[in-house]
Amino acid sequence: GAGVSQSPSNKVTEKGKDVELRCDPISGHTALYWYRQSLGQGLEFLIYFQGNSAPDKSGLPSDRFSAERTGGSVSTLTIQRTQQEDSAVYLCASGDRVNTGELFFGEGSRLTVL
Amino acid sequence: GQQVMQIPQYQHVQEGEDFTTYCNSSTTLSNIQWYKQRPGGHPVFLIQLVKSGEVKKQKRLTFQFGEAKKNSSLHITATQTTDVGTYFCAGPGTASKLTFGTGTRLQVTL
Repeated sequence: GAGVSQSPSNKVTEKGKDVELRCDPISGHTALYWYRQSLGQGLEFLIYFQGNSAPDKSGLPSDRFSAERTGGSVSTLTIQRTQQEDSAVYLCASGDRVNTGELFFGEGSRLTVL
Repeated sequence: GQQVMQIPQYQHVQEGEDFTTYCNSSTTLSNIQWYKQRPGGHPVFLIQLVKSGEVKKQKRLTFQFGEAKKNSSLHITATQTTDVGTYFCAGPGTASKLTFGTGTRLQVTL
């Protein structure tokens, strides 16, 4: 594909609802990251997938957050029982090398929890 | 865990002035990357430095990796309004995870 694709680009939901955010990385990229960015803030690491290794989930803020990566490709970030503080832009990035080389970011999914 | 700090957090300059952002890691890095995020956009890779003391230039941008490989800097000469955005450094930490710095937001006015 041309780049990292994320969907939906915008999601408005009510507090307490579950949401799923999807990331389609660049074909062949083994590394996949999820970051969260609140307005005017930095990149908050959430989770990192690398090949067939167990994912690094150390950045997930609570057990309401989970992510999976199927077949080493598409990834889904799920937020259960959303809260207003979950409102942010969720960015996905992929790379083709461990530990080095550039990351390619998607356009992000903007989540608004009312 | 690894921490990557950047200073300043924010800088406002007049067009034509120079700008520098500094990146400091709590651990030694095998490499350091720099990204730029325009307002409303996503981070875009600028460059990667690997060698101790390495200096690389891209037009008006000069990137430097410290001798101890724990710090880096990005210097922009004669800023332009197109330089507006947030600049992030990033380095690999534990388990190869890429850790981003806190970012420096640059505002340029005429």
